[in-house]
Amino acid sequence: AQSVTQLDSHVSVSEGTPVLLRCNYSSSYSPSLFWYVQHPNKGLQLLLKYTSAATLVKGINGFEAEFKKSETSFHLTKPSAHMSDAAEYFCVVSAQVRDDKIIFGKGTRLHILP
Amino acid sequence: DAMVIQNPRYQVTQFGKPVTLSCSQTLNHNVMYWYQQKSSQAPKLLFHYYDKDFNNEADTPDNFQSRRPNTSFCFLDIRSPGLGDAAMYLCATSRVGQVYGYTFGSGTRLTVV
Repeated sequence: AQSVTQLDSHVSVSEGTPVLLRCNYSSSYSPSLFWYVQHPNKGLQLLLKYTSAATLVKGINGFEAEFKKSETSFHLTKPSAHMSDAAEYFCVVSAQVRDDKIIFGKGTRLHILP
Repeated sequence: DAMVIQNPRYQVTQFGKPVTLSCSQTLNHNVMYWYQQKSSQAPKLLFHYYDKDFNNEADTPDNFQSRRPNTSFCFLDIRSPGLGDAAMYLCATSRVGQVYGYTFGSGTRLTVV
């Protein structure tokens, strides 16, 4: 069984300051983990993915995430927030086996303050 | 570019009138998913196809059906839409065994009047 918990439903940061969006997971298999971003009335765009290679994963738009097995965490970070980063972010876990379903976290709404 | 395309982007239907949403892909992925996403919520899986094998989620209402006539296309049929079915419907694809993640379409926003 798999699950994913996004610890914050809303995060507000000032433009130019660091971003931290938290995600914890549980999985019976070696998981694949993803972060997706969704802007209003748009589909989901893949930011980055962890698939058992390097534990520090770099994604698009300056985002990165670190897989920490001991903490069962996969937090998303960015050194300096931009106004365009304001969106909903979803942490997703998958076991990548046949008929596996991807499990979404409830999402974190990121607000960027001018 | 290879992608997942959903048509239409916006769909308005009448209460009780059948409606079909479409999804096509050029990625040659063997798995296709339909998700329902209501406002401020995470996407909820309705069903998915692994090749031609249909997999329904236990809590997906009978009102929702799907067809996959070939690898490239998948349809979501809502037989009798209710007001509670108004949502964004997202199609996604993946190839099991290749951990490329899941590619999502831009979604169809369904309004029921």
